[in-house]
Amino acid sequence: DTGVSQDPRHKITKRGQNVTFRCDPISEHNRLYWYRQTLGQGPEFLTYFQNEAQLEKSRLLSDRFSAERPKGSFSTLEIQRTEQGDSAMYLCASSPPLGAWTEAFFGQGTRLTVV
Amino acid sequence: AQSVTQPDIHITVSEGASLELRCNYSYGATPYLFWYVQSPGQGLQLLLKYFSGDTLVQGIKGFEAEFKRSQSSFNLRKPSVHWSDAAEYFCAVGADQAGTALIFGKGTTLSVSS
Repeated sequence: DTGVSQDPRHKITKRGQNVTFRCDPISEHNRLYWYRQTLGQGPEFLTYFQNEAQLEKSRLLSDRFSAERPKGSFSTLEIQRTEQGDSAMYLCASSPPLGAWTEAFFGQGTRLTVV
Repeated sequence: AQSVTQPDIHITVSEGASLELRCNYSYGATPYLFWYVQSPGQGLQLLLKYFSGDTLVQGIKGFEAEFKRSQSSFNLRKPSVHWSDAAEYFCAVGADQAGTALIFGKGTTLSVSS
């Protein structure tokens, strides 16, 4: 168990470019979450998968944001036509099947800087 | 509306002193409550959680928290702070045991003085 892995750890991009982040959850975890954290704020929930099904996506910030988890394992978060306001830390978390003491384990995040 | 308030943005305590970080929540249903810690360059680590039962919960690293339904609070405490506890602490509330959509507070930054 190597924990939740996110790649890249840092990304600098020019405004208007598309970016894609990858998250590899803990292997036996079927639930996967994406959050965004801006400076001085707590993480903000974006979307959630159970296996390959995206069960909650209404909180994605705009239609420029999309996420996939095609085989129920790793997930990608894409931001199209990036804006300076997209600069933030993007966090991924995973959790095992629902149980009495299920908890979410977070990765170290991908820090995006849009210049 | 569902929300979490952490009234203290920054707290400084002396090493060895006791600590209490405040958390108040607004949630329509039975809350699932969490405290996470985030150190620079590190991911969020769960300190403790409350789902039901005993309102005083013990966590890792010597932390504990008490759920008070009447006050809508879930304050984090530690009897003796160590320099390594300096970090940012987040209180969160969730809709279910998995924390499907955790709502986080803005965090409290803890500094420890020698």
